[in-house]
Amino acid sequence: GENVEQHPSTLSVQEGDSAVIKCTYSDSASNYFPWYKQELGKGPQLIIDIRSNVGEKKDQRIAVTLNKTAKHFSLHITETQPEDSAVYFCAARGGAQKLVFGQGTRLTINP
Amino acid sequence: GAVVSQHPSRVICKSGTSVKIECRSLDFQATTMFWYRQFPKQSLMLMATSNEGSKATYEQGVEKDKFLINHASLTLSTLTVTSAHPEDSSFYICSARGGTVFVQPQHFGDGTRLSIL
Repeated sequence: GENVEQHPSTLSVQEGDSAVIKCTYSDSASNYFPWYKQELGKGPQLIIDIRSNVGEKKDQRIAVTLNKTAKHFSLHITETQPEDSAVYFCAARGGAQKLVFGQGTRLTINP
Repeated sequence: GAVVSQHPSRVICKSGTSVKIECRSLDFQATTMFWYRQFPKQSLMLMATSNEGSKATYEQGVEKDKFLINHASLTLSTLTVTSAHPEDSSFYICSARGGTVFVQPQHFGDGTRLSIL
């Protein structure tokens, strides 16, 4: 089945700098890759997603890139703000039609 | 945007009690709903998948008689933890996906913190 690895597990950046979180997946049949932000005590919130027929997608300060050949995808957050502090999860959905999640990245934005 | 509502947000009850958690899709028809369990500082663990009107499909190691799932309508799914014990204490999160085409975004509720005394 699908296996998703996410790095780093923790990331601390200065406010205004960029943050990058990377994920790799194992199932070449996976075709949908969402990113979720989870704040303390809440459920995951979908922030951006990408399908396998595109290589990059951007939404304001957030962008995701996908390299199907290498089976990896990344989340880029620019001009980080304190409210970006949260746990971020990547996921991949493939032939089994179920999301498989990465281990999560705890992002801390230092003022 | 798509909204998934989950209730209650927190439950504290005695061992042996059965607890029901509701999950509703507020502005779309959820053809598929998912139930996850999340331990502190860990990722989401899928417990079961349910399609409206069908029996739920449970992941390996999840007791179907312990965690009863009902998905009777396109906007409501329930998870009942039967005869709950302290080891069932956890954060339970539901998720819903609309459409019959499989590549639909999946949205999550805000979770239920279950504490069994």
